[in-house]
Amino acid sequence: SAVISQKPSRDICQRGTSLTIQCQVDSQVTMMFWYRQQPGQSLTLIATANQGSEATYESGFVIDKFPISRPNLTFSTLTVSNMSPEDSSIYLCSVEVRAGNTEAFFGQGTRLTVV
Amino acid sequence: TQLLEQSPQFLSIQEGENLTVYCNSSSVFSSLQWYRQEPGEGPVLLVTVVTGGEVKKLKRLTFQFGDARKDSSLHITAAQTGDTGLYLCAGERTGGYNKLIFGAGTRLAVHP
Repeated sequence: SAVISQKPSRDICQRGTSLTIQCQVDSQVTMMFWYRQQPGQSLTLIATANQGSEATYESGFVIDKFPISRPNLTFSTLTVSNMSPEDSSIYLCSVEVRAGNTEAFFGQGTRLTVV
Repeated sequence: TQLLEQSPQFLSIQEGENLTVYCNSSSVFSSLQWYRQEPGEGPVLLVTVVTGGEVKKLKRLTFQFGDARKDSSLHITAAQTGDTGLYLCAGERTGGYNKLIFGAGTRLAVHP
């Protein structure tokens, strides 16, 4: 299993500013995943963060808007840059652990409101 | 196009009713999982089904994996308000490591 600590749990930010979300895992993992979950919606994968290489971004997401750091095997950050109200959402980090089958573990999420 | 089609997208029922949520795909999965997400939390794994035709029960929840391992269902008997949440299916594709594929989710509201 994996326990993920994500912070902040929520924030209210001014448009044009940036917010960095931190994700700490209690074990070493190769890949960490960042998701966005808009109100009432399901999960949309933003990017996969690999230690030692650049993150891999999904269609519609770019590094300039969502820079990601992955300095070691237990930690990652996602920055939401130059925020606008459309960025208001829940952001979740996740890891997938293989022990026979693959299981996903999630942080509790960061609820971001941009005003 | 979603690799995993989940239906219905929304479900609003009264306490005590039964419901079924479906997760369908044209792809074969080595395993399929169901997660539940409550407000203010991340999704949490409920069950993993691995064998075609497998049925697993978790109290009032019954999970079934299709014979061909392309689809799954979640049936809740006598729903309670505590069952309210977002239900997500996720598939693990066959052949080496592949990232889990998540369905679009079913948002369930159970009213007293």
